[in-house]
Amino acid sequence: NAGVMQNPRHLVRRRGQEARLRCSPVKGHSHVYWYRQLPEEGLKFMVYLQKENIIDESGMPKERFSAEFPKEGPSILRIQQVVRGDSAAYFCASSPLESGGYTFGSGTRLTVV
Amino acid sequence: EDQVTQSPEALRLQEGESSSLNCSYTVSGLRGLFWYRQDPGKGPEFLFTLYSAGEEKEKERLKATLTKKESFLHITAPKPEDSATYLCAVQAWRTQGGSEKLVFGKGTKLTVNP
Repeated sequence: NAGVMQNPRHLVRRRGQEARLRCSPVKGHSHVYWYRQLPEEGLKFMVYLQKENIIDESGMPKERFSAEFPKEGPSILRIQQVVRGDSAAYFCASSPLESGGYTFGSGTRLTVV
Repeated sequence: EDQVTQSPEALRLQEGESSSLNCSYTVSGLRGLFWYRQDPGKGPEFLFTLYSAGEEKEKERLKATLTKKESFLHITAPKPEDSATYLCAVQAWRTQGGSEKLVFGKGTKLTVNP
């Protein structure tokens, strides 16, 4: 069984560009979470999605950030007009149930130059 | 607000030197406490879930315990391959409008020297 697949592994964007991060959950998992890890900081919750629904986006910045988990295809975290402060590792996790231990992907490391 | 504090921030051990990592937490209603291991450049790898005070779980050289205020990750006779950052996280029961997201501590970076 493949785990959580995230791509790209590394992404470099210039300030003002858009970043698109993709996450394919474990097969059969319908719950997807996105977390951000800044240097010297812990993992911070961003958003929780089920198929075609955003359940909790309380950790998402109000502007420039959006997420989706369509009926078909991967979950997408989109960051518009990136700034240097967006540089971080973004991790996706999935689970078969709403509670319990997640399976994390290897992350996308975003660098804004 | 749910909070998790891990100590120490970093720990250096000699191979075979047993020790413990601490995770102190405050949470509105604990649904579960989780331990993860994270290697450099990788995502967190699930180790244990603990649900109630007094519960213990073991895996190879690792043993996790839970009280009402903290959890310990005991490492017995560690090996260099146990070197990693160990993350603790809590999951609270859902509040209206929220979700059972994980709240993580900053981690303890463990280095085991041969």
